Amino acid sequence: AQSVTQLGSHVSVSEGALVLLRCNYSSSVPPYLFWYVQYPNQGLQLLLKYTTGATLVKGINGFEAEFKKSETSFHLTKPSAHMSDAAEYFCAVSERDDKIIFGKGTRLHILP
Amino acid sequence: DVKVTQSSRYLVKRTGEKVFLECVQDMDHENMFWYRQDPGLGLRLIYFSYDVKMKEKGDIPEGYSVSREKKERFSLILESASTNQTSMYLCASSSPRTANYGYTFGSGTRLTVV
Repeated sequence: AQSVTQLGSHVSVSEGALVLLRCNYSSSVPPYLFWYVQYPNQGLQLLLKYTTGATLVKGINGFEAEFKKSETSFHLTKPSAHMSDAAEYFCAVSERDDKIIFGKGTRLHILP
Repeated sequence: DVKVTQSSRYLVKRTGEKVFLECVQDMDHENMFWYRQDPGLGLRLIYFSYDVKMKEKGDIPEGYSVSREKKERFSLILESASTNQTSMYLCASSSPRTANYGYTFGSGTRLTVV
């Protein structure tokens, strides 16, 4: 069965510092992988996704993620954090069956 | 711009009331989903539907039912609301036909049961 583990329910970084949010997955087939972002009192917005092809995926707002099959990971990074990046981030996996499984989320705090 | 619209952003209901949460999408998507979101628990799937008049139980269906009479509308029903159903409810839709795979979410309904 597919599952997603996000390491750290809260992550704090200084403004301008590197953002790294960790995600590991399990899947019995080559997965589709997603990162979603949720700002306060809003729904989830797709940040980026991996389906096939290039393993380094670029998304909105300067975020990117790399699919590493050998490590079963799909970590999210951004070179320089901005105050507006403060939000909750969800990693998700799908075995291409129209059903997406979400991680428990990581709340990103940006320190001035 | 494509949209999933949830009828209420905030809702306060009394224990024992029958509650309807409505979700409408304008993308002609076949699939629709209802999740609840609670701190520390992430998103948990309540019910989903792959077509009109079809429904399948998710991971936590107890205390809920759904209705999908039209393709664009998916309703979540709390038959007798209880305080432990106080939560954020998120609706999403998707289509296997499109290359843009992934869910589109509504803005959520924050339900408080008192």
